[in-house]
Amino acid sequence: SQQGEEDPQALSIQEGENATMNCSYKTSINNLQWYRQNSGRGLVHLILIRSNEREKHSGRLRVTLDTSKKSSSLLITASRAADTASYFCATGRTGANSKLTFGKGITLSVRP
Amino acid sequence: ETGVTQTPRHLVMGMTNKKSLKCEQHLGHNAMYWYKQSAKKPLELMFVYSLEERVENNSVPSRFSPECPNSSHLFLHLHTLQPEDSALYLCASSQVDNSPLHFGNGTRLTVT
Repeated sequence: SQQGEEDPQALSIQEGENATMNCSYKTSINNLQWYRQNSGRGLVHLILIRSNEREKHSGRLRVTLDTSKKSSSLLITASRAADTASYFCATGRTGANSKLTFGKGITLSVRP
Repeated sequence: ETGVTQTPRHLVMGMTNKKSLKCEQHLGHNAMYWYKQSAKKPLELMFVYSLEERVENNSVPSRFSPECPNSSHLFLHLHTLQPEDSALYLCASSQVDNSPLHFGNGTRLTVT
């Protein structure tokens, strides 16, 4: 299975600290995406990184992709209480979103 | 406002009931998806419609029946469900060119 697996399962940090979340997968991919989900809401797309890219930034988010290790990391810098949510990585093996496979997610708690 | 609207937000139904979940997207996308989200499990892809044609059915029991009358609307018809079908059902849309998914806020389904 190409299913992404996030690590750790849960993370608790103090406001202002950086949060690093990891995702590993098993087969070759076309792209990897990170999503965020607030309690009781739908998932919101954060960032997409293609298999030929190594790093991408968006505001306080930094995503890296290492295809040789089949892993990705999501770094949130200067975390805020509002960043408290679940974060999911999703891997796409072909060009179609129908092949997008999600992991179980990481629960991030940012203490004020 | 996510651009993808799901109704109802909450639904409680008995095992002999028939009900329908509705999803509407206002983003001009041409692909729509149903996902099931259960606690402690990865997001499960149920159905994919691309250009109003069903392109994926991930071995979903026949008690779940999707319908896509046009590119903006998606339904999930439910009948004779089991308690283990209780979950958050998420609708999503995208362009078929592998652009990110846009999710609705889901229907929280409880089968009693």
